[in-house]
Amino acid sequence: GAGVSQSPRYKVAKRGQDVALRCDPISGHVSLFWYQQALGQGPEFLTYFQNEAQLDKSGLPSDRFFAERPEGSVSTLKIQRTQQEDSAVYLCASSFLAVSYNEQFFGPGTRLTVL
Amino acid sequence: DAKTTQPPSMDCAEGRAANLPCNHSTISGNEYVYWYRQIHSQGPQYIIHGLKNNETNEMASLIITEDRKSSTLILPHATLRDTAVYYCIVGGTSYGKLTFGQGTILTVHP
Repeated sequence: GAGVSQSPRYKVAKRGQDVALRCDPISGHVSLFWYQQALGQGPEFLTYFQNEAQLDKSGLPSDRFFAERPEGSVSTLKIQRTQQEDSAVYLCASSFLAVSYNEQFFGPGTRLTVL
Repeated sequence: DAKTTQPPSMDCAEGRAANLPCNHSTISGNEYVYWYRQIHSQGPQYIIHGLKNNETNEMASLIITEDRKSSTLILPHATLRDTAVYYCIVGGTSYGKLTFGQGTILTVHP
């Protein structure tokens, strides 16, 4: 079976452009997470969906960041008016259940470079 | 979530056991200990988790001290492909949000 996929794998944006990053979780997984990983750092939580409901967006760094999962499967992370500090790898993860001890399956990430 | 402390780096010879320590002295009674690893240019990969008892799976063993203030991840026969950053994570919300630290860079040498 397929794992978590993300597209594009690499994105270069000019400062001020809007970008959209896509995540295809494992089919049937209830939970979906977005994380941001700066160079040399561990991933940092951005937001969490349980099916189509966004239950936690406490990690989104500014109102330029917006995420959605309208049908409870595919998710999109949108960054408006990108800034250089947005350059990072954006990781998506999904898990079958919405419980604390459930394994998260990560995608390969999208590397965003803002010039 | 409880804070974890890990050594920044460790080395291990191929074929030997790799023992990765983690301190989590502020762990609370209902918090799990999770280990993930991240191989270069890949997303993190789940390894194992535990609450109180020691755990073993096909990848590794997790030893948690009786007071739960520290734990050790054991890779019994390290290979070159085990070279990665290993993250020890404690806690998590009811739905499993992970709070990653800096992790330990494990380098396995031939």
